[in-house]
Amino acid sequence: DIVLTQSPGTLSLSPGERVSLSCRASQSVSGNYLAWYQHKPGQTPRLLILGASTRAPGIPDRFSGSGSGTDFTLTISRLEPEDFAVYYCQQYGRSPRTFGQGTKVEF
Amino acid sequence: EVQLVESGGGLGQPGGSLRLSCPASGFTFSNYAMHWVRQAPGKGLQYLSVISADGRTTNYADSVKDRFTISRDNSKNTLFLQMRSLRVEDTAVYYCVKSAHCSRVDCPDHFDYWGHGSLVTVSS
Repeated sequence: DIVLTQSPGTLSLSPGERVSLSCRASQSVSGNYLAWYQHKPGQTPRLLILGASTRAPGIPDRFSGSGSGTDFTLTISRLEPEDFAVYYCQQYGRSPRTFGQGTKVEF
Repeated sequence: EVQLVESGGGLGQPGGSLRLSCPASGFTFSNYAMHWVRQAPGKGLQYLSVISADGRTTNYADSVKDRFTISRDNSKNTLFLQMRSLRVEDTAVYYCVKSAHCSRVDCPDHFDYWGHGSLVTVSS
């Protein structure tokens, strides 16, 4: 199975700041089939990015994804209060699909 | 509107069994592969299993292979997860999840809709 390692585990930030979250794969993610999800308590996960860099419909342009192969990054250009959540990367190019352990962005 | 509503969770005994159901509506259920994902208390998301649109092909994470069985009834638009030989570490919220585009299990595809989850607690 492909192991995804996210770093850091937790980030303590303030609204307005720029943040970059890392996701590193144990082997190359085929086709750059890498997604990012945002998860808030009591809510279902929300798709942000697919294909490593394509924003999902309705996602604000302050969210961007980059990377290829084994190294991927989610960047939030300017944190809004509603962005404080846990962020997960997921590879869906090879079965079984796998998630990273998550990065918590907290105030 | 797409709706996925998990049920069947609750308290299970170590070594026992539980079956989760997920009736779906708002889309043509028989056209899409479906998945199960779980989240243990205080932990991250863990991918469990996928089933093809026609129900003939499945795939599992190693952690649940040989204990959990995914299935579907396309005549009733319902996804199932049969859990056997339950362990304390199976305690989690279990989510039913829809593939965005694909019908096959080997088709690379992200998720577009999630249910709100069903809590399974395994304890004696």
